[in-house]
Amino acid sequence: NAGVTQTPKFQVLKTGQSMTLQCAQDMNHNSMYWYRQDPGMGLRLIYYSASEGTTDKGEVPNGYNVSRLNKREFSLRLESAAPSQTSVYFCASTPAGSGANVLTFGAGSRLTVL
Amino acid sequence: EDKVVQSPLSLVVHEGDTVTLNCSYEVTNFRSLLWYKQEKKAPTFLFMLTSSGIEKKSGRLSSILDKKELFSILNITATQTGDSAIYLCAVEGYYGNNRLAFGKGNQVVVIP
Repeated sequence: NAGVTQTPKFQVLKTGQSMTLQCAQDMNHNSMYWYRQDPGMGLRLIYYSASEGTTDKGEVPNGYNVSRLNKREFSLRLESAAPSQTSVYFCASTPAGSGANVLTFGAGSRLTVL
Repeated sequence: EDKVVQSPLSLVVHEGDTVTLNCSYEVTNFRSLLWYKQEKKAPTFLFMLTSSGIEKKSGRLSSILDKKELFSILNITATQTGDSAIYLCAVEGYYGNNRLAFGKGNQVVVIP
């Protein structure tokens, strides 16, 4: 009964390093999302994938890339990390084909960029 | 651009008090409004509201939507320390694909 699994849970990077956050869901959901959460800012959408094979930019996509590897997995890549990308990242999924509806969230990945 | 504004942003109450949280919104092609509770980690779903004037209730929590005035209220009665959390309001609009816009959250601290 895993739901949405994110790895890693914590990561410290130096400015300019790259890394990939992994996300997998076992609920056969069609849509997957990446959000970032900063203090006092709520959740902001980075990228989403309405269905396997499609990805779209959200509110704050600059500095990120995504890959919808298959129906289960949706990864977020930082090519050249910057201190402004220090944040908590949440992956989420929903069963709707093209609808947001009720999101199921992963536990979050706390990223610090020095 | 979608706007979701929550108030108050933070409050401290004593156990047993009643809390009222507000969420006002402006969104294109409104579909639904959702409330989530976030404690230490991931947000967890509380309510989804689509129709005006119909209260959703779960234990001591209840919520109602006013589509004419574009806001929702989340009430927590007889608060307990376990209600301490950030409460997130999100509004779903339709743009070809459905997307959620989140507010900044209401941080609630319940002290014994």
